[in-house]
Amino acid sequence: GENVEQHPSTLSVQEGDSAVIKCTYSDSASNYFPWYKQELGKGPQLIIDIRSNVGEKKDQRIAVTLNKTAKHFSLHITETQPEDSAVYFCAASIRSNSGYALNFGKGTSLLVTP
Amino acid sequence: DAGVIQSPRHEVTEMGQEVTLRCKPISGHDYLFWYRQTMMRGLELLIYFNNNVPIDDSGMPEDRFSAKMPNASFSTLKIQPSEPRDSAVYFCASSSQDRGGGNTIYFGEGSWLTVV
Repeated sequence: GENVEQHPSTLSVQEGDSAVIKCTYSDSASNYFPWYKQELGKGPQLIIDIRSNVGEKKDQRIAVTLNKTAKHFSLHITETQPEDSAVYFCAASIRSNSGYALNFGKGTSLLVTP
Repeated sequence: DAGVIQSPRHEVTEMGQEVTLRCKPISGHDYLFWYRQTMMRGLELLIYFNNNVPIDDSGMPEDRFSAKMPNASFSTLKIQPSEPRDSAVYFCASSSQDRGGGNTIYFGEGSWLTVV
């Protein structure tokens, strides 16, 4: 099945710096790659996603890049702020004949220090 | 939109007791997922349903776990008997029909289970 690897597991940056989180996946059939942010005590929330027919997508300070050949995708957060501190998860779609689901990476705990 | 609603939010139970977690998906969504989150294993997919039918339950850890979806607006995840290693946060999530490219999966706030 799909295996999603995520690095680093923890990341500490100073406010205003950029943060980059990288993921790799194993199933070449995966075609949907969302990123989720999870704050303490809450469920994961989608922050950005990318589909396999696109190489890059940007939404304000957040961008995601996808390299299908190499089977890796990355999350880039620019001008980080303390409120960006959270756990971030990447995911890749897994499909069967009857439906689809998401497999998640192990998460990256991001700390933005003022 | 009320979002995915889970209950209970927190539960502490004794080993051997039956635990039932409940979920109401977002109205109109065709998919319902149960995930388990632990520090060691991250977010694991346990089972998912499409139009109330279980599609893939290969993530269910063992026979002590069972899930049902009797209608489009309700699902349960049951653990019987519970064990301390079942302690985790259990998330329910839902999504609308996949159009071939994957659709956003929306998570509930989770049910925090502690088995002592």
